[in-house]
Formats: sequence, C-alpha cells, structure tokens
Amino acid sequence: QTVVTQEPSLTVSPGGTVTLTCASSTGAVTSGYYPNWFQQKPGQAPRALIYSTSNKHSWTPARFSGSLLGGKAALTLSGVQPEDEAEYYCLLYYGDEGVFGGGTKLTVL
Amino acid sequence: EVQLVESGGGLVNPGGSLRLSCAASGFTFSNALMSWVRQAPGKGLEWVGRIKSNTHGGTTDYAAPVKGRFTISRDDSKNTVYLQMSSLKTEDTAVYYCVEGPFLPYWGQGILVTVSS
Repeated sequence: QTVVTQEPSLTVSPGGTVTLTCASSTGAVTSGYYPNWFQQKPGQAPRALIYSTSNKHSWTPARFSGSLLGGKAALTLSGVQPEDEAEYYCLLYYGDEGVFGGGTKLTVL
Repeated sequence: EVQLVESGGGLVNPGGSLRLSCAASGFTFSNALMSWVRQAPGKGLEWVGRIKSNTHGGTTDYAAPVKGRFTISRDDSKNTVYLQMSSLKTEDTAVYYCVEGPFLPYWGQGILVTVSS
C-alpha cells in the first residue's frame, strides 16, 4: 500500500518562511505524480492552493509556492501570515489513483 | 460561480447501503471529471474515487478500501454525480466531499455519513 508522508506539525513565526514536504513510499516524487496542495481550517472544506507541482489557482496568495525538493514535493510559505495557521495536505497521483498525505498542522506563533 | 451541493447523507447500519448525490452548477458539468474525497472525524483527507467525462469514456477509478463496494456514476442531463455505497463499514464514517476535476479546485460543503448500529 502506497503511503504519502508529511511532517505532522511545524511552527513558524509571523513573517517567516516555512517549507512543508510530501514524500512517497515508492521513491522520489516527480512531476508525473502531479503534486497538489490543499489548506484546511477547522470546520471548513479544504481549499486548493497548488496543482501539478507549482501551478497556482487564481485565488492562491503569492506567498505560497510549490516545487520539487530533494525527491519530495514541497510547499513553501514566504512571509507567513497569522491566517496561514491551518492543516495542509498534499495529494499525489499514482496513475489513476490519488493518495493524500496525512497532513501537516502549521502553527503560526 | 461554481457550486457543488451534496445530499443523501445520514445514519446507516453496518452492511447497509446509501447513495450520495452532488448537484453541480456554474461550469460545464458534462466536460468535467468529478471526484469524491472523504474525511473521517478528526482525521485527514482520503481520496475515494473519480469519474471521467463521457467524452473521455466515463471511466471510474477507486481507492483500494472502497473498490468493489462503492460505485460512482453521473447523469449529465441533471448535472449530478452520485456515490453509491454498499456493504458499509464503521470505518466508512466520514464527511464526504464532492470535488470538481482531478486537481480538485472546487469543493462541496461536505455531507456526513455515519455507519453505526
């Protein structure tokens, strides 16, 4: 069974920069896994941020960026705002099946 | 404005069946791949499955835990996608989200399915 692994939790100061990563149990993550990133706040539906590694949706703030880093998919937040405190999920596609990571709880403190 | 509205959730006994519906508006539904994602209480997101547009064969794909028990279908005349769930287990208890596309830009508000005796 394929497992997608994210950091369980990270803490960042307001105005700082933080990188969240997304690893695959099958090996290095490439663009062929079409990495997606989502933000979810308590009581809300998830919000899509990044698709196909680094593409932003029209509503994605400029401070969010996606990339591949060291064999993983990565989501970098630059100039973190208090409202960025949330759970973040990555999604990888293995052919026709999608697998979400377990999520990273980002605390802004 | 894209809208996705799920319905049909509720309480069901283990081993029972339930059908969720998702009414879509604000985009060309017949051209859209539609996905289902679920979230168990206090847990993370889980990809459930998807159905391609009929112009792409209308084929379906499922996650391993639901394969053979869940069926996704669509009615383009009603702009609606369905999730038929059978042989339900307690671990299927979750909020089920209807989502547009493979890259999941647009989400419904979610609907709760509780499997319990």
